[in-house]
Amino acid sequence: DTGVSQDPRHKITKRGQNVTFRCDPISEHNRLYWYRQTLGQGPEFLTYFQNEAQLEKSRLLSDRFSAERPKGSFSTLEIQRTEQGDSAMYLCASTKGVGELFFGEGSRLTVL
Amino acid sequence: AQSVTQPDIHITVSEGASLELRCNYSYGATPYLFWYVQSPGQGLQLLLKYFSGDTLVQGIKGFEAEFKRSQSSFNLRKPSVHWSDAAEYFCAVVSRSNDYKLSFGAGTTVTVRA
Repeated sequence: DTGVSQDPRHKITKRGQNVTFRCDPISEHNRLYWYRQTLGQGPEFLTYFQNEAQLEKSRLLSDRFSAERPKGSFSTLEIQRTEQGDSAMYLCASTKGVGELFFGEGSRLTVL
Repeated sequence: AQSVTQPDIHITVSEGASLELRCNYSYGATPYLFWYVQSPGQGLQLLLKYFSGDTLVQGIKGFEAEFKRSQSSFNLRKPSVHWSDAAEYFCAVVSRSNDYKLSFGAGTTVTVRA
């Protein structure tokens, strides 16, 4: 399968713990995105990479959130000191064009 | 402020009936416009897009959408709905001047009854 893959698919953690999500985009895609989706809402933009450069980070992201894309390949999204309000589906997407994003199936985070 | 609005939270339609989902946007200039579908347990999938030209665009799975500049709308339609069309549908926009940031509406959930 050559689509966008995300790992883990589900993560349950206790408040205060750190979690990391990984995204492997489609190989020729230079643009990579992270979105967050909560129940009944559309995906909210979190951050964007063009190759390895992080070009925008949403004001939704507190300092507890960090994302990287070393060498312009896979990406990681880390959340430090998780809070219950961080519970959501974290979506990764990639593209080489405008707006035609290819999404992974998401990583669902539950913070107890 | 830039925004995209989907006025209908939930629509129920009978199998074989027609479907129309509404989308309105508020941007300084006409953005690029998209519709995505999210089936239960699946990732979002692009249905169709509008960049320019013909205001009626065709997409996958028998869907079409019409861009109306005067109404700032981009409504999605399907003439005859199948049970497999039950899903959540999202309208999305990208500014032409900032063409990497895709912003989504809140979504419309479609239920199909037999």
